[in-house]
Amino acid sequence: GENVEQHPSTLSVQEGDSAVIKCTYSDSASNYFPWYKQELGKGPQLIIDIRSNVGEKKDQRIAVTLNKTAKHFSLHITETQPEDSAVYFCAASYFGGSQGNLIFGKGTKLSVKP
Amino acid sequence: GAVVSQHPSRVICKSGTSVKIECRSLDFQATTMFWYRQFPKQSLMLMATSNEGSKATYEQGVEKDKFLINHASLTLSTLTVTSAHPEDSSFYICSASGTSGGAWETQYFGPGTRLLVL
Repeated sequence: GENVEQHPSTLSVQEGDSAVIKCTYSDSASNYFPWYKQELGKGPQLIIDIRSNVGEKKDQRIAVTLNKTAKHFSLHITETQPEDSAVYFCAASYFGGSQGNLIFGKGTKLSVKP
Repeated sequence: GAVVSQHPSRVICKSGTSVKIECRSLDFQATTMFWYRQFPKQSLMLMATSNEGSKATYEQGVEKDKFLINHASLTLSTLTVTSAHPEDSSFYICSASGTSGGAWETQYFGPGTRLLVL
């Protein structure tokens, strides 16, 4: 089955700096890769996702890149702000005509220092 | 769009009682709903997947008689923790996917329910 590795487990950056979180997956059939942000005591919030037919997707300060050959994808946050502090989860899934299960990474705790 | 609600947000109960948690998709039809469990500082662990009108599919190691799931409509799924014990204390999160904007594969999560069993 699919396995998703996420690094680093913790990341501390200064406000205004960039943050990068990396994930690798094992199943080459996976074709959908979402990223979720989870604040303390709340449910995960989808912040960006990418499908396997696209190499990069950007939404304001957030971008995701996908390298299918190497089977890894990354989340890039530019101009970080204190409110970006949260736990970020990557996930991978395969959709072949029916709903597939998301396999999550273990999460990255991002701390943005003002 | 794509809002999922959960109720209650927090519940404290005595050992041996049953607790029901509701998950609702507010602005889209959720053909599939998922139930997760999350322990402190850990990732989400999928418990079961349910499709509207069908029996839930449970992950290995999850007791279906302990965690009863009902997905009676396209907007509502319930998780009942039967005969709850302190080890069932956890953060329970549901998610839903459906036909929101055509992105049927995207899972949208509820805010979670904190269960504490005394």
